[in-house]
Amino acid sequence: GENVEQHPSTLSVQEGDSAVIKCTYSDSASNYFPWYKQELGKRPQLIIDIRSNVGEKKDQRIAVTLNKTAKHFSLHITETQPEDSAVYFCAGVINTGTASKLTFGTGTRLQVTL
Amino acid sequence: NAGVTQTPKFQVLKTGQSMTLQCAQDMNHEYMSWYRQDPGMGLRLIHYSVGAGITDQGEVPNGYNVSRSTTEDFPLRLLSAAPSQTSVYFCASGRTFLGGYEQYFGPGTRLTVT
Repeated sequence: GENVEQHPSTLSVQEGDSAVIKCTYSDSASNYFPWYKQELGKRPQLIIDIRSNVGEKKDQRIAVTLNKTAKHFSLHITETQPEDSAVYFCAGVINTGTASKLTFGTGTRLQVTL
Repeated sequence: NAGVTQTPKFQVLKTGQSMTLQCAQDMNHEYMSWYRQDPGMGLRLIHYSVGAGITDQGEVPNGYNVSRSTTEDFPLRLLSAAPSQTSVYFCASGRTFLGGYEQYFGPGTRLTVT
């Protein structure tokens, strides 16, 4: 089955700096890569995603990149703010036409300090 | 639209007791899933369903049963609770679209087994 590894497990940055979280996946059949943000005590929420036929996608201060050859994808947050502090999860999805399964990374706890 | 709802929000069980965690969605999604979240281990898939009457095992299915008699509901049953099942449980529903898969989480149930 799919295996998704995520690094680092914790990340501390100063407000205004950039943060980068990296993930690798094992199954070349994975074709969709969402990122979720989970604030303390709350549910994971989708913040951005990227399909396998796209190399980069940007939405305001967040961007994702995908390198299919190397099987890795990354989340970039620029101009970080205190409200960006949360746990971020990457995931890989295999869409077979009859089923879709997400495999999550183990998460990155991002702390943005003033 | 209520989205994905879960009940109860909190539950304490004694070892050996049984109970059902309820999950419902009003988005007419074909996919529904149950995850458990433990510190440092991310989100692990317990069971999932691709439609009414169809269920399958995820990564950690032992000790849990599911059924899906309607599109809207996907209950998770703990047959004989064990302390190792202390966790936060998230239900999710989702749908596929061209090249992707949208998944939304419920608010979670915090379960403690003593």
